[in-house]
Order: sequence, then structure tokens, then C-alpha cells
Amino acid sequence: DQQVKQNSPSLSVQEGRISILNCDYTNSMFDYFLWYKKYPAEGPTFLISISSIKDKNEDGRFTVFLNKSAKHLSLHIVPSQPGDSAVYFCAARLKAAGNKLTFGGGTRVLVKP
Amino acid sequence: SQTIHQWPATLVQPVGSPLSLECTVEGTSNPNLYWYRQAAGRGLQLLFYSVGIGQISSEVPQNLSASRPQDRQFILSSKKLLLSDSGFYLCAWSMRYTAYFFGPGTRLTVL
Repeated sequence: DQQVKQNSPSLSVQEGRISILNCDYTNSMFDYFLWYKKYPAEGPTFLISISSIKDKNEDGRFTVFLNKSAKHLSLHIVPSQPGDSAVYFCAARLKAAGNKLTFGGGTRVLVKP
Repeated sequence: SQTIHQWPATLVQPVGSPLSLECTVEGTSNPNLYWYRQAAGRGLQLLFYSVGIGQISSEVPQNLSASRPQDRQFILSSKKLLLSDSGFYLCAWSMRYTAYFFGPGTRLTVL
């Protein structure tokens, strides 16, 4: 049972344009959502997060939107840069269960110069 | 500042051999610790998590086990590796209400 899904396995975008990554979840008990960026053969690095009581969080070029009624979140990267090419994972936290994170399957982003 | 170490970085093991991967965290006390695995072309799967010394919760029944002999040390083991154990193993830590921070990972290939 996949509780967190990223339905787009890949995304290609032109440098300078906006990248939009989507993530859907099923468990309404998730209280915190995070986005990670991962390069091959490296550990994921934390990008940005959002609490379930908010609907938007912005940090520089990265903005995360949360739609609780739709159980959907998205990550916007603008403007996209070639260094943003990586795999992006969304994750959802269950605070009541050891702070466990459940990850989506990832979306590979390719930013073309 | 906090840092997390994993070793070895890469490992090639024959089927049926034992496994021991180690993870240590510096600069924090009583962290939550986690083992994840990323199989080729797949997402991150939680294997084990620990909220304290000697406290291990298993997420996926399999031939792997985990131990936490010290506050900032987390060990992933197997008595007999299977081909399906190949993957990229990641250790992570968090404090109670923060994001996870991941180690550099161990690439395990079982032949």
C-alpha cells in the first residue's frame, strides 16, 4: 500500500522555466511533509518542508504548496537551473510513530540549458 | 554541527555471506535513527528505525536485522545475504520534530 505517490517518474524543463513536481498521499494522519533532492550515489539532501496546518512555504527558488482536502502537495522550482537536475522525493511524516518518514517513488528532473 | 557517517561506501558480497553496515552520528544526543534502502530505480524504503538504545522497530520482514548498541551508533546486519538485498543503503537521523538528515550511503552488490 503506497501511502505517498509521485505519479510522474520524470520531468524535463528548460533552464529558467518553472519545474512543478507533484505528490499525492492517502494517510490523513501525516502531519508534516518534506521534499528531498538526491544525486546518484549520494544521500538525499533536505530541501523544504511544510506543516499540515499551512498551505504554502517558500524558501528562495523553492515553494511547496499543500492542499489537504485533495491530499496533494507540489514543489515549484523557479527559475530552474541545470544544477537542479536530480531525483526529487516527497516524504510525509507520522509524528506518532517515531517520526517515521514515508517516501514517494521519486521524480527525475532534467533541466536543459 | 551534526554529521553522519556510514561505512563502507561500497561493498560487493557473495550470496550467503554475512553483512554488517555501520552508521554513526556526531554532534547530537538521543537522535532517532533510521535505515532505508533504495533498490535500483525505486524509491526509499524504510527498513528499521530506533528511538533509543536497544529499541528497534522493523518495518519490513526480511533477512536483515538492526541494532543500536550505543546512542549514536546504528548497525544493519544479515547472517546470509540474498541477491535481492542489493541496493543503496542509507542511514538517517532526526531529532523529534525536525527533518531527517541522511548519510552518504553504502552501495551493496550481492553476486
